[in-house]
Amino acid sequence: EAGVTQSPTHLIKTRGQQATLRCSPISGHTSVYWYQQALGLGLQFLLWYDEGEERNRGNFPPRFSGRQFPNYSSELNVNALELEDSALYLCASSLRAGNTEAFFGQGTRLTVV
Amino acid sequence: AQSVTQPDIHITVSEGASLELRCNYSYGATPYLFWYVQSPGQGLQLLLKYFSGDTLVQGIKGFEAEFKRSQSSFNLRKPSVHWSDAAEYFCAVGTGYSSASKIIFGSGTRLSIRP
Repeated sequence: EAGVTQSPTHLIKTRGQQATLRCSPISGHTSVYWYQQALGLGLQFLLWYDEGEERNRGNFPPRFSGRQFPNYSSELNVNALELEDSALYLCASSLRAGNTEAFFGQGTRLTVV
Repeated sequence: AQSVTQPDIHITVSEGASLELRCNYSYGATPYLFWYVQSPGQGLQLLLKYFSGDTLVQGIKGFEAEFKRSQSSFNLRKPSVHWSDAAEYFCAVGTGYSSASKIIFGSGTRLSIRP
């Protein structure tokens, strides 16, 4: 069974541009989570999507946004990129309800220059 | 506010030696607790989890962890480490309706193995 897949693996953007990161959850999982792992800041919760809706949001500015598609895959969009947005962005998925754990993808390394 | 503390930033142990990584949490209710491992440039892999029941939890790769409510701790142990265990280890607490709806991670402990 395929795990959580993320694309691209690496992404280099210029300050001010927009970045789009993609995530495909494990088959059968309806919840998708996005985390940012920036150097020196640890893992920070960004967004939670379930059944196509945003369910929870971390302490990030509105230029971080996303969506979940009917097939439960998800996109994370980062607008007006800043140098400090450079980080590893991790996507995770889980079953919707009950005591479940999140399964993580390998991440997208975003570098803003 | 909920928080997770991993007091050791970096630990070095000899191959074959025992290991204990510390984790303390702050949360008002019974938490969902996790340990994840991250190899360089990789995503996170779940080692083990505690939701309820037996406070000694067995995980993959020979790891175990013990939930101690009185100490608000969830320390990770392994009786004999292997060179392949060198990685970053994250303790985490799940605080949402779904245990994964908002996972708060500790800052991580980097484990190095001395040959």
